[in-house]
Amino acid sequence: SQTIHQWPATLVQPVGSPLSLECTVEGTSNPNLYWYRQAAGRGLQLLFYSVGIGQISSEVPQNLSASRPQDRQFILSSKKLLLSDSGFYLCAWSPGTSYEQYFGPGTRLTVT
Amino acid sequence: RKEVEQDPGPFNVPEGATVAFNCTYSNSASQSFFWYRQDCRKEPKLLMSVYSSGNEDGRFTAQLNRASQYISLLIRDSKLSDSATYLCVVTGGANNLFFGTGTRLTVIP
Repeated sequence: SQTIHQWPATLVQPVGSPLSLECTVEGTSNPNLYWYRQAAGRGLQLLFYSVGIGQISSEVPQNLSASRPQDRQFILSSKKLLLSDSGFYLCAWSPGTSYEQYFGPGTRLTVT
Repeated sequence: RKEVEQDPGPFNVPEGATVAFNCTYSNSASQSFFWYRQDCRKEPKLLMSVYSSGNEDGRFTAQLNRASQYISLLIRDSKLSDSATYLCVVTGGANNLFFGTGTRLTVIP
């Protein structure tokens, strides 16, 4: 069966510091991968998605970036965090042959 | 206009009650529809897909009205464990999903 991992689970970072969040998927090949952010009391905002290695589409212009160095690895980065980057970051995968997405446990980021 | 709109609730219902959530979507080209469940401070989990003919999974029934661009979820015989936020989800373009902000349900003993 497929599993999706995210780390770290929680993170507290100062404004202006860099960020790297990692997501890996097991048990499937060539998944579509997604990064979402959920601010407190808000809906899910799609940040990036990827249909293959090195292929990244950005949905919202901001100080975040994403990379997919391997088929089942998706990384979310920032060079300098802003207070507004605080939130719950969720990675998701879908098989590509259907639309359902399956989420990892998320990383709760607080920028201070 | 938002892609997906839901009544945020909260819905507070007693155990054993039947509760219904509604959702409207704006993109008439959307092809697939889902309900997700999200527990407090957890990730969303797929509850069920929604098919044009309507579908049922145990105590849960989902229905789709394409003409009205309307989706519903009915929960019968509510359990305490049903307490969560229910997200209405529709497809956009390029494998993307649009999530509603969710309807919060609390089942009271």
